[in-house]
Amino acid sequence: AQSVTQLDSHVSVSEGTPVLLRCNYSSSYSPSLFWYVQHPNKGLQLLLKYTSAATLVKGINGFEAEFKKSETSFHLTKPSAHMSDAAEYFCVVSVLEYGNKLVFGAGTILRVKS
Amino acid sequence: NAGVTQTPKFQVLKTGQSMTLQCAQDMNHEYMSWYRQDPGMGLRLIHYSVGAGITDQGEVPNGYNVSRSTTEDFPLRLLSAAPSQTSVYFCASCWGQGTEAFFGQGTRLTVV
Repeated sequence: AQSVTQLDSHVSVSEGTPVLLRCNYSSSYSPSLFWYVQHPNKGLQLLLKYTSAATLVKGINGFEAEFKKSETSFHLTKPSAHMSDAAEYFCVVSVLEYGNKLVFGAGTILRVKS
Repeated sequence: NAGVTQTPKFQVLKTGQSMTLQCAQDMNHEYMSWYRQDPGMGLRLIHYSVGAGITDQGEVPNGYNVSRSTTEDFPLRLLSAAPSQTSVYFCASCWGQGTEAFFGQGTRLTVV
Protein backbone atom coordinates (compact mmCIF):
# COMPACT_ATOMS: atom_id res chain seq x y z
CA ALA A 1 0.00 0.00 0.00
CA GLN A 2 1.11 3.51 -0.69
CA SER A 3 2.04 5.68 2.26
CA VAL A 4 3.73 8.94 3.09
CA THR A 5 5.88 9.74 6.10
CA GLN A 6 6.75 13.29 7.00
CA LEU A 7 9.75 12.99 9.25
CA ASP A 8 9.21 16.15 11.30
CA SER A 9 5.96 17.26 12.84
CA HIS A 10 7.38 20.73 13.59
CA VAL A 11 10.24 22.70 12.02
CA SER A 12 11.42 26.08 13.26
CA VAL A 13 13.74 28.33 11.25
CA SER A 14 14.82 31.95 11.37
CA GLU A 15 13.74 34.33 8.66
CA GLY A 16 16.27 34.33 5.82
CA THR A 17 17.64 30.84 6.58
CA PRO A 18 17.03 27.71 4.48
CA VAL A 19 13.99 25.50 4.90
CA LEU A 20 14.04 21.70 4.66
CA LEU A 21 10.86 19.66 5.13
CA ARG A 22 11.42 15.93 4.79
CA CYS A 23 9.13 13.40 3.16
CA ASN A 24 9.53 9.70 2.43
CA TYR A 25 7.01 7.72 0.47
CA SER A 26 6.30 4.12 -0.35
CA SER A 27 4.72 3.12 -3.63
CA SER A 28 4.65 -0.02 -5.69
CA TYR A 29 4.86 1.97 -8.92
CA SER A 30 6.14 5.32 -10.14
CA PRO A 31 4.06 7.77 -8.12
CA SER A 32 2.69 11.25 -8.60
CA LEU A 33 3.84 13.33 -5.65
CA PHE A 34 2.72 16.71 -4.42
CA TRP A 35 3.40 19.26 -1.73
CA TYR A 36 0.45 21.28 -0.46
CA VAL A 37 0.49 24.19 1.97
CA GLN A 38 -2.25 25.14 4.40
CA HIS A 39 -2.24 28.50 6.12
CA PRO A 40 -4.21 28.76 9.37
CA ASN A 41 -7.95 28.34 8.85
CA LYS A 42 -7.50 28.18 5.11
CA GLY A 43 -7.84 25.56 2.40
CA LEU A 44 -4.99 23.69 0.77
CA GLN A 45 -2.89 25.20 -1.98
CA LEU A 46 -0.63 23.28 -4.33
CA LEU A 47 3.05 24.20 -4.01
CA LEU A 48 4.46 21.82 -6.59
CA LYS A 49 4.02 18.40 -8.17
CA TYR A 50 6.17 15.61 -9.53
CA THR A 51 4.76 13.48 -12.33
CA SER A 52 7.80 11.57 -13.69
CA ALA A 53 9.32 14.41 -15.70
CA ALA A 54 12.33 16.27 -14.21
CA THR A 55 13.37 15.01 -10.80
CA LEU A 56 13.94 18.57 -9.52
CA VAL A 57 10.60 20.30 -9.38
CA LYS A 58 10.17 24.02 -8.92
CA GLY A 59 7.04 25.38 -7.33
CA ILE A 60 5.52 28.63 -6.23
CA ASN A 61 7.00 31.10 -3.75
CA GLY A 62 10.57 29.86 -4.27
CA PHE A 63 9.97 26.29 -3.09
CA GLU A 64 11.41 23.28 -4.84
CA ALA A 65 11.58 19.53 -4.24
CA GLU A 66 13.78 16.74 -5.50
CA PHE A 67 12.45 13.29 -6.30
CA LYS A 68 14.97 10.61 -5.34
CA LYS A 69 13.74 7.18 -6.31
CA SER A 70 16.66 5.34 -4.69
CA GLU A 71 15.89 6.98 -1.36
CA THR A 72 12.10 7.10 -1.87
CA SER A 73 12.23 10.72 -0.78
CA PHE A 74 10.64 13.96 -1.93
CA HIS A 75 12.02 16.64 0.38
CA LEU A 76 10.82 20.24 0.11
CA THR A 77 13.35 23.07 0.27
CA LYS A 78 13.53 26.83 0.06
CA PRO A 79 16.79 28.81 0.17
CA SER A 80 15.52 31.64 2.35
CA ALA A 81 12.49 31.52 4.64
CA HIS A 82 10.00 34.37 4.80
CA MET A 83 7.59 35.10 7.61
CA SER A 84 4.71 34.39 5.24
CA ASP A 85 5.94 30.80 4.83
CA ALA A 86 4.71 29.93 8.32
CA ALA A 87 2.04 27.28 7.69
CA GLU A 88 1.43 23.54 7.68
CA TYR A 89 2.86 21.57 4.78
CA PHE A 90 1.61 18.24 3.51
CA CYS A 91 3.45 15.74 1.37
CA VAL A 92 0.96 13.80 -0.75
CA VAL A 93 1.10 10.79 -3.05
CA SER A 94 -1.57 10.06 -5.64
CA VAL A 95 -2.60 6.43 -5.84
CA LEU A 96 -4.27 4.71 -8.77
CA GLU A 97 -7.25 3.55 -6.80
CA TYR A 98 -10.24 5.16 -5.17
CA GLY A 99 -10.52 7.46 -8.15
CA ASN A 100 -7.22 9.29 -7.73
CA LYS A 101 -7.07 9.00 -3.99
CA LEU A 102 -4.57 11.30 -2.34
CA VAL A 103 -2.63 9.81 0.54
CA PHE A 104 -1.52 12.57 2.91
CA GLY A 105 1.36 12.69 5.29
CA ALA A 106 0.56 13.83 8.83
CA GLY A 107 1.85 17.32 8.07
CA THR A 108 4.78 19.50 9.14
CA ILE A 109 4.14 22.80 10.87
CA LEU A 110 6.73 25.37 9.82
CA ARG A 111 7.46 28.19 12.22
CA VAL A 112 9.50 31.17 11.02
CA LYS A 113 11.16 33.31 13.65
CA SER A 114 11.99 36.95 13.09
CA ASN B 1 -13.80 30.79 -12.13
CA ALA B 2 -14.76 30.23 -8.51
CA GLY B 3 -12.97 26.86 -8.32
CA VAL B 4 -14.33 24.63 -5.56
CA THR B 5 -16.96 26.16 -3.31
CA GLN B 6 -18.04 24.64 -0.01
CA THR B 7 -20.88 25.68 2.23
CA PRO B 8 -21.30 26.24 5.10
CA LYS B 9 -17.92 27.30 6.50
CA PHE B 10 -18.90 26.55 10.08
CA GLN B 11 -21.59 24.35 11.60
CA VAL B 12 -22.53 23.14 15.06
CA LEU B 13 -24.78 20.09 15.31
CA LYS B 14 -26.32 18.19 18.16
CA THR B 15 -25.73 14.47 18.37
CA GLY B 16 -28.22 12.65 16.18
CA GLN B 17 -28.98 15.55 13.86
CA SER B 18 -28.46 15.24 10.13
CA MET B 19 -27.11 17.78 7.68
CA THR B 20 -25.67 18.16 4.19
CA LEU B 21 -22.36 19.77 3.34
CA GLN B 22 -22.46 21.31 -0.10
CA CYS B 23 -19.65 21.23 -2.66
CA ALA B 24 -19.68 22.69 -6.15
CA GLN B 25 -16.94 23.10 -8.77
CA ASP B 26 -16.99 25.04 -12.02
CA MET B 27 -13.93 23.50 -13.69
CA ASN B 28 -15.78 20.60 -15.35
CA HIS B 29 -13.71 18.10 -13.36
CA GLU B 30 -14.86 14.50 -13.46
CA TYR B 31 -13.25 13.47 -10.18
CA MET B 32 -14.56 14.80 -6.88
CA SER B 33 -13.91 13.67 -3.34
CA TRP B 34 -14.50 14.44 0.31
CA TYR B 35 -11.80 14.36 2.98
CA ARG B 36 -11.80 14.96 6.69
CA GLN B 37 -8.88 16.56 8.48
CA ASP B 38 -8.08 15.67 12.06
CA PRO B 39 -5.03 16.89 14.02
CA GLY B 40 -1.87 14.88 13.36
CA MET B 41 -3.57 12.64 10.79
CA GLY B 42 -3.43 14.65 7.58
CA LEU B 43 -6.53 14.25 5.40
CA ARG B 44 -8.45 11.00 5.02
CA LEU B 45 -10.73 10.09 2.15
CA ILE B 46 -14.43 9.67 3.00
CA HIS B 47 -16.14 9.19 -0.38
CA TYR B 48 -15.27 9.91 -3.97
CA SER B 49 -16.82 10.10 -7.42
CA VAL B 50 -15.30 9.58 -10.87
CA GLY B 51 -18.25 11.08 -12.72
CA ALA B 52 -21.93 11.92 -12.54
CA GLY B 53 -23.89 8.96 -11.22
CA ILE B 54 -20.79 7.14 -9.95
CA THR B 55 -19.75 7.20 -6.30
CA ASP B 56 -17.79 4.91 -4.03
CA GLN B 57 -16.43 4.64 -0.51
CA GLY B 58 -13.05 5.82 0.63
CA GLU B 59 -11.15 5.00 3.82
CA VAL B 60 -13.59 6.33 6.40
CA PRO B 61 -17.12 6.21 4.90
CA ASN B 62 -19.17 5.15 7.92
CA GLY B 63 -21.83 7.67 8.88
CA TYR B 64 -21.69 9.55 5.59
CA ASN B 65 -23.59 9.39 2.29
CA VAL B 66 -22.91 11.03 -1.05
CA SER B 67 -24.57 11.40 -4.42
CA ARG B 68 -23.44 12.87 -7.75
CA SER B 69 -26.37 13.84 -9.92
CA THR B 70 -24.42 16.47 -11.87
CA THR B 71 -20.76 16.99 -12.77
CA GLU B 72 -20.68 20.20 -10.74
CA ASP B 73 -22.13 19.13 -7.39
CA PHE B 74 -21.06 16.55 -4.83
CA PRO B 75 -22.91 16.92 -1.50
CA LEU B 76 -21.91 15.02 1.63
CA ARG B 77 -24.67 13.96 4.01
CA LEU B 78 -24.23 13.17 7.68
CA LEU B 79 -27.02 10.79 8.55
CA SER B 80 -26.96 10.98 12.35
CA ALA B 81 -24.16 13.17 13.66
CA ALA B 82 -21.82 11.84 16.33
CA PRO B 83 -19.10 13.64 18.31
CA SER B 84 -16.52 11.54 16.45
CA GLN B 85 -17.50 13.41 13.30
CA THR B 86 -16.23 16.68 14.71
CA SER B 87 -13.63 17.62 12.11
CA VAL B 88 -12.76 19.90 9.24
CA TYR B 89 -14.16 18.67 5.94
CA PHE B 90 -12.65 19.41 2.56
CA CYS B 91 -14.08 18.84 -0.86
CA ALA B 92 -11.65 18.40 -3.76
CA SER B 93 -11.85 18.00 -7.51
CA CYS B 94 -9.41 17.12 -10.27
CA TRP B 95 -9.21 16.16 -13.94
CA GLY B 96 -8.18 12.59 -13.36
CA GLN B 97 -5.64 10.21 -11.94
CA GLY B 98 -2.32 11.76 -10.98
CA THR B 99 -3.46 15.31 -11.58
CA GLU B 100 -3.52 18.27 -9.23
CA ALA B 101 -6.46 18.40 -6.86
CA PHE B 102 -8.21 21.69 -6.13
CA PHE B 103 -9.62 22.09 -2.64
CA GLY B 104 -12.47 24.07 -1.20
CA GLN B 105 -11.96 26.30 1.83
CA GLY B 106 -13.27 23.69 4.22
CA THR B 107 -16.20 23.26 6.60
CA ARG B 108 -15.47 23.22 10.31
CA LEU B 109 -18.05 20.94 11.91
CA THR B 110 -18.57 20.53 15.65
CA VAL B 111 -20.93 17.87 17.00
CA VAL B 112 -21.96 18.35 20.61
